Amino acid sequence: DAGVIQSPRHEVTEMGQEVTLRCKPISGHDYLFWYRQTMMRGLELLIYFNNNVPIDDSGMPEDRFSAKMPNASFSTLKIQPSEPRDSAVYFCASSFRQGSYEQYFGPGTRLTVT
Amino acid sequence: SQKIEQNSEALNIQEGKTATLTCNYTNYSPAYLQWYRQDPGRGPVFLLLIRENEKEKRKERLKVTFDTTLKQSLFHITASQPADSATYLCALVPLTGTASKLTFGTGTRLQVTL
Repeated sequence: DAGVIQSPRHEVTEMGQEVTLRCKPISGHDYLFWYRQTMMRGLELLIYFNNNVPIDDSGMPEDRFSAKMPNASFSTLKIQPSEPRDSAVYFCASSFRQGSYEQYFGPGTRLTVT
Repeated sequence: SQKIEQNSEALNIQEGKTATLTCNYTNYSPAYLQWYRQDPGRGPVFLLLIRENEKEKRKERLKVTFDTTLKQSLFHITASQPADSATYLCALVPLTGTASKLTFGTGTRLQVTL
């Protein structure tokens, strides 16, 4: 299996622009998670899905952030409009419900908003 | 408020020694505690899970303990090697609520020198 795939790996954009991050979870996993990692706040859960349905979006910072999962193999995290404080590494992770609840992380997208 | 604390200062040890990392939590009733390893520029990788009713778990050179009275987990790497150098994150899974929702500590960076 290729593991969790994220694109792009790096994104540099100007303040006010729309940013879309993409994720392909591991086939057969029914949970998908979006995290943000910064030096100051560590790894924070933004939102997670179960069977393509958003379950908990309490970590989404504000209305500028939105996430979708149109099917079991694809999810997007969108920031519109982007701000410099959104600069961080965004990780997608997936897991399989039964078992040890371990999560498999993608390589992350490093977002820089200037 | 709920808090997970890991030593923010880097831990420097000599090759061959045992590294011990600490994870303390407050205002939490975890069902599970997990440890992840994160290398620079990569996503976290699952290492071990320990349940609330388990005192100790081992995997090769790794050992995890879980003391729900002290609200603490210790992560040990025996016979440490330079390749063990990385940041190690603990994560809690709640006893109540959504079992898949992990909360991560900020991580401790381990540096193993020759």
